[in-house]
Amino acid sequence: DAKTTQPPSMDCAEGRAANLPCNHSTISGNEYVYWYRQIHSQGPQYIIHGLKNNETNEMASLIITEDRKSSTLILPHATLRDTAVYYCIVESNFGNEKLTFGTGTRLTIIP
Amino acid sequence: EAGVTQFPSHSVIEKGQTVTLRCDPISGHDNLYWYRRVMGKEIKFLLHFVKESKQDESGMPNNRFLAERTGGTYSTLKVQPAELEDSGVYFCASSPYGTAYNEQFFGPGTRLTVL
Repeated sequence: DAKTTQPPSMDCAEGRAANLPCNHSTISGNEYVYWYRQIHSQGPQYIIHGLKNNETNEMASLIITEDRKSSTLILPHATLRDTAVYYCIVESNFGNEKLTFGTGTRLTIIP
Repeated sequence: EAGVTQFPSHSVIEKGQTVTLRCDPISGHDNLYWYRRVMGKEIKFLLHFVKESKQDESGMPNNRFLAERTGGTYSTLKVQPAELEDSGVYFCASSPYGTAYNEQFFGPGTRLTVL
């Protein structure tokens, strides 16, 4: 079973920052927070991951609370192509582990 | 560099028939995973190969499903005989073995419809 809780859906205006929350109150010390997304009719796509420090890459930023019980994925300037289902996944950071997907958040970018 | 490819993109079969799905991972990726999403449900893990060996097949629903990975390259997932509840989208993913983090590269999926 997924170890995360996410809102089922969110809207965001095009060009604004999209902030997607995730609760993972039972996360253990060796588990990382991963974010993937699935654009319609495509396979899931890796976005970013982190342990306890905030992380940023070319796609997004990840903010993890100090107690690590929740995190927020930030898409700084959302475009219509960011409309997708976003999955927050908690897994140990071994590169060979299976991914456990939850229900995710359906993000709709509004023109 | 080519991504993960899956064939066919769509398959429509009748209950009781056999279907074989194929996945070609990214060249050099020793990890290969199969997942599926059945209607209205979450994406679920099926199994994991490391090269030609099955590392974890805990997600395989029953013995009607058979996965192989010949020579540690491409993989096939056979469903025999297919049942109505097997309808869904089957995803394949690959990743290099021993990486520091869990970035899996997914294919576009095969949509299976069992009538």
